[in-house]
Amino acid sequence: AQTVTQSQPEMSVQEAETVTLSCTYDTSENNYYLFWYKQPPSRQMILVIRQEAYKQQNATENRFSVNFQKAAKSFSLKISDSQLGDTAMYFCAFATGANNLFFGTGTRLTVIP
Amino acid sequence: NAGVTQTPKFRVLKTGQSMTLLCAQDMNHEYMYWYRQDPGMGLRLIHYSVGEGTTAKGEVPDGYNVSRLKKQNFLLGLESAAPSQTSVYFCASSYDRTYTGELFFGEGSRLTVL
Repeated sequence: AQTVTQSQPEMSVQEAETVTLSCTYDTSENNYYLFWYKQPPSRQMILVIRQEAYKQQNATENRFSVNFQKAAKSFSLKISDSQLGDTAMYFCAFATGANNLFFGTGTRLTVIP
Repeated sequence: NAGVTQTPKFRVLKTGQSMTLLCAQDMNHEYMYWYRQDPGMGLRLIHYSVGEGTTAKGEVPDGYNVSRLKKQNFLLGLESAAPSQTSVYFCASSYDRTYTGELFFGEGSRLTVL
């Protein structure tokens, strides 16, 4: 079975600091895709970053980067120089291709001014 | 840019009533999805469509029906609402069928069944 686990229901970080959100997944597939989606209080979910499992290089999008550890089945999100606009729910998600996109339960991040 | 639009944003129903949620996208996407979001759980796929006139069941389809009569619209229906269907519903669309690309989401519709 494909599962995604986010063990941190809530986190907070001071503005301008760095925070890391954890995600682990379970699959027997070798090729898959991992995502972090952000859901701000307005509720519209948007894609933050995407990682293809066959790529060893960690994905980076401006202040957002991932630490992808394939052997450990770990996919953490690092947010550098946190901004107030980063306050949101963050969902880790996983897809093998033709199957569904599986979501974790989310981590609520609060950036404190 | 409108993107993905859901209507209504909020609705309160009594048990046994019916309703339809409308999802409209203006990105010419072939693939559309309906998810539900419940506290302490990730989004779960209800139904999806791979093109006009096609629909398929997702992870939690019971109690819901869908239709995709036009490419840009994907309707989610509840024929006889139950309290267990109280949730926030999200529509999404994508270019890519295989879930490996980006999904574009609507703002959500909060449904309460009393």
